[in-house]
Amino acid sequence: DIVMTQTPLSSPVTLGQPASISCRSSQSLVHSDGNTYLSWLQQRPGQPPRLLIYKVSNRFSGVPDRFSGSGAGTDFTLKISRVEAEDVGVYYCMQATQFPRTFGQGTKVEIK
Amino acid sequence: EVQLLESGGGLVQPGGSLRLSCVGSGFTFSSYTMSWVRQAPGKGLEWVSSISSGGGNIDYTDSVKGRFTISRDNSKNTVYLQLNSLRAEDTALYYCAKYYGISGYYPYWGQGTLVTVSS
Repeated sequence: DIVMTQTPLSSPVTLGQPASISCRSSQSLVHSDGNTYLSWLQQRPGQPPRLLIYKVSNRFSGVPDRFSGSGAGTDFTLKISRVEAEDVGVYYCMQATQFPRTFGQGTKVEIK
Repeated sequence: EVQLLESGGGLVQPGGSLRLSCVGSGFTFSSYTMSWVRQAPGKGLEWVSSISSGGGNIDYTDSVKGRFTISRDNSKNTVYLQLNSLRAEDTALYYCAKYYGISGYYPYWGQGTLVTVSS
């Protein structure tokens, strides 16, 4: 199974400041079709997960442009350019390159 | 508007069974792979199982193989998860999610149904 490791596990951020979350996979996420199926999801308290980013760097419909994704191979990053109060929650990376699909442990973003 | 509505959760004793259902609407259900993902209380997300659009391809995480069975009825826009031989560690909120295979992501999730395994 591909192990997804996120750092940090907790990120206290000042409103208006940037935040960055790292996700590392135990093996390359490049699929045999050439695509990299790495996505980022946000889970606000008491809510189901919400898709933010797919295929490393593509923002899903309706996602604010302060969210961006980057990376390649085994190292990926989610950045929030200026954290807003509504961004509080847990963020997960997820790979769909291989079965079983696997998620990172989650990174809790909270306001200082 | 895409909607996924799970049902069937509840309290069950260890060794017992439950059948979860997820009804999809607002999209052509029969065209999409569907999955179940669970979340134990206070824990992270764990993919459980997926079934392809026609039901011909099925996958499970190792911890549920031989105990859980995923199926679908496209005439009813419904995907099921049969949970047998339940264990305490199966206690979780079970989410149904629509998979967009071309780009490898889950754009839509239900609200979840809670399964509690306890004596």
